[in-house]
Amino acid sequence: NAGVTQTPKFRVLKTGQSMTLLCAQDMNHEYMYWYRQDPGMGLRLIHYSVGEGTTAKGEVPDGYNVSRLKKQNFLLGLESAAPSQTSVYFCASASDEAGTLYNEQFFGPGTRLTVL
Amino acid sequence: GQNIDQPTEMTATEGAIVQINCTYQTSGFNGLFWYQQHAGEAPTFLSYNVLDGLEEKGRFSSFLSRSKGYSYLLLKELQMKDSASYLCAVRALGTDSWGKLQFGAGTQVVVTP
Repeated sequence: NAGVTQTPKFRVLKTGQSMTLLCAQDMNHEYMYWYRQDPGMGLRLIHYSVGEGTTAKGEVPDGYNVSRLKKQNFLLGLESAAPSQTSVYFCASASDEAGTLYNEQFFGPGTRLTVL
Repeated sequence: GQNIDQPTEMTATEGAIVQINCTYQTSGFNGLFWYQQHAGEAPTFLSYNVLDGLEEKGRFSSFLSRSKGYSYLLLKELQMKDSASYLCAVRALGTDSWGKLQFGAGTQVVVTP
């Protein structure tokens, strides 16, 4: 199993450009999450999904959109990139099964985005 | 909401013990996680506490006191590979929480020879 994968690994954008980050998981997890990680601020939740076709806002959703058309994929879009969106973006997934011991989140390797 | 505090950095010698404290304030509590994150890599799950007490997993132990809003991660017999950031995260209680985690800023542990 590949676990959680993210593409691309690195990207440089100019202000105003758009892009989509792809997250895929092969663990049949219901829950998926997008975070950003900035120095000294820890992981902050951008958007999340509790199942195929559902999305919800997290702590810092402004400037981002998401879609979950298939259970295994969770897409994060930036419509008009800004320098403040320079960050490392992590996707995570988790099971919703009551019998799962911890329901811990599994993280992808991250996407390093720079907006000039 | 939740406030989670942990020290920014700790330094210890190889073979020693280090204790990383985490305090939290939450309106609802459904578990506390510790994750390890090496530089440039993804966070990986280390431990989970939902009841008061100590959970031991090899060289790592985690403790929780719900009444005090306090947890610690204990790393014993430190090795150079333990140099990493350690993230404390609290899971909220409630049907609308959907397993969401609130993370602290992380504690950078530096292990010296």
